Amino acid sequence: EAQVTQNPRYLITVTGKKLTVTCSQNMNHEYMSWYRQDPGLGLRQIYYSMNVEVTDKGDVPEGYKVSRKEKRNFPLILESPSPNQTSLYFCASRTRTGLTYEQYFGPGTRLTVT
Amino acid sequence: EDQVTQSPEALRLQEGESSSLNCSYTVSGLRGLFWYRQDPGKGPEFLFTLYSAGEEKEKERLKATLTKKESFLHITAPKPEDSATYLCAVPTGNQFYFGTGTSLTVIP
Repeated sequence: EAQVTQNPRYLITVTGKKLTVTCSQNMNHEYMSWYRQDPGLGLRQIYYSMNVEVTDKGDVPEGYKVSRKEKRNFPLILESPSPNQTSLYFCASRTRTGLTYEQYFGPGTRLTVT
Repeated sequence: EDQVTQSPEALRLQEGESSSLNCSYTVSGLRGLFWYRQDPGKGPEFLFTLYSAGEEKEKERLKATLTKKESFLHITAPKPEDSATYLCAVPTGNQFYFGTGTSLTVIP
């Protein structure tokens, strides 16, 4: 089954404790992306990757890091989480070719930073 | 500045009561407009892509249309299972910009 998986699904942590949210896709997609979703602000892009070893900032990259060492994986790293990073996070992927640009989203990771 | 705006923020309909959701955009050089459905606690699920003014796409009770400045998602005779948040998005360069969504509730 074609899918994007994220782990963990729920995470409660404390300010300053480094964490990683994993994202993996099994569709051989070149493009992967991270979003955060906050009430009233919608989905905002954090980082995206056009292919292995190619990453770029989205609209809200401050406080986040990413890496793309393998095509299927795109982890999101919070080196020193703060309460304003409490949010619902989604990973997405799509092919770079074709007309549809359709993105497939993961199930989400709900992060709470206290 | 590129922008995507959706209205209304929330919509309550009786079962069978048709209506439309709006997505307006100010992106220059549109390379597609996307509609997604999002259920509570889940990731967005792709519905439609529209590429040019005048284009229409249909899926069950949903029909999406596109003009040069906005897109409409028409819901005909909705059912309670159509209750969800509907999001639209446009790509700009390599990024995607989403609207804040319309939360639709269909009452039996």
